[in-house]
Amino acid sequence: LAKTTQPISMDSYEGQEVNITCSHNNIATNDYITWYQQFPSQGPRFIIQGYKTKVTNEVASLFIPADRKSSTLSLPRVSLSDTAVYYCLVGNLQGGKLIFGQGTELSVKP
Amino acid sequence: KAGVTQTPRYLIKTRGQQVTLSCSPISGHRSVSWYQQTPGQGLQFLFEYFSETQRNKGNFPGRFSGRQFSNSRSEMNVSTLELGDSALYLCASSLAPLGATRQNEQYFGPGTRLTVT
Repeated sequence: LAKTTQPISMDSYEGQEVNITCSHNNIATNDYITWYQQFPSQGPRFIIQGYKTKVTNEVASLFIPADRKSSTLSLPRVSLSDTAVYYCLVGNLQGGKLIFGQGTELSVKP
Repeated sequence: KAGVTQTPRYLIKTRGQQVTLSCSPISGHRSVSWYQQTPGQGLQFLFEYFSETQRNKGNFPGRFSGRQFSNSRSEMNVSTLELGDSALYLCASSLAPLGATRQNEQYFGPGTRLTVT
């Protein structure tokens, strides 16, 4: 399974765009890139998933360069309620396990 | 469609006791995975069940066990509880077994907060 590296924490202010980058140098050809959001004492929640180029849904965009060795989760105009931990996952083929990295703790301030 | 439900939400046990946690997956989902989350170790995979069979197991001692019923509901059991077992236990469900498809998305429940004293 491709190891992922993310910043441990990030700070932002309400209304700003937040970009969280994840490095995954050993991504395999068949691996998808998935981002989850987790609030304290809750289970992770699926945000977005992509394979290459750009994916956009109602809450976020995911940018993946051609070499796929990194990806960037973009949250437009964040609010206080976006304060959470964001996990980047690549693939799920290591013995069928879903491996979470340490995540990025995003703090949005007023 | 109802989400993944876990019961109980909170539990307090003492060392040496055993505990059983329950998870009901999203209707139609046949894969159920269990995770332990602690501040120090983060999210760690415990095991996965699909069609009543354990497919994968993480690096946890044999005190941690589970099972899945024909309706896909799953239970996790921890025997001889230790203080270090205090954690948030999360259950996640998916349509297919983990790794079966490239886009397999998991849906997590709210978790059971277990405190061992």
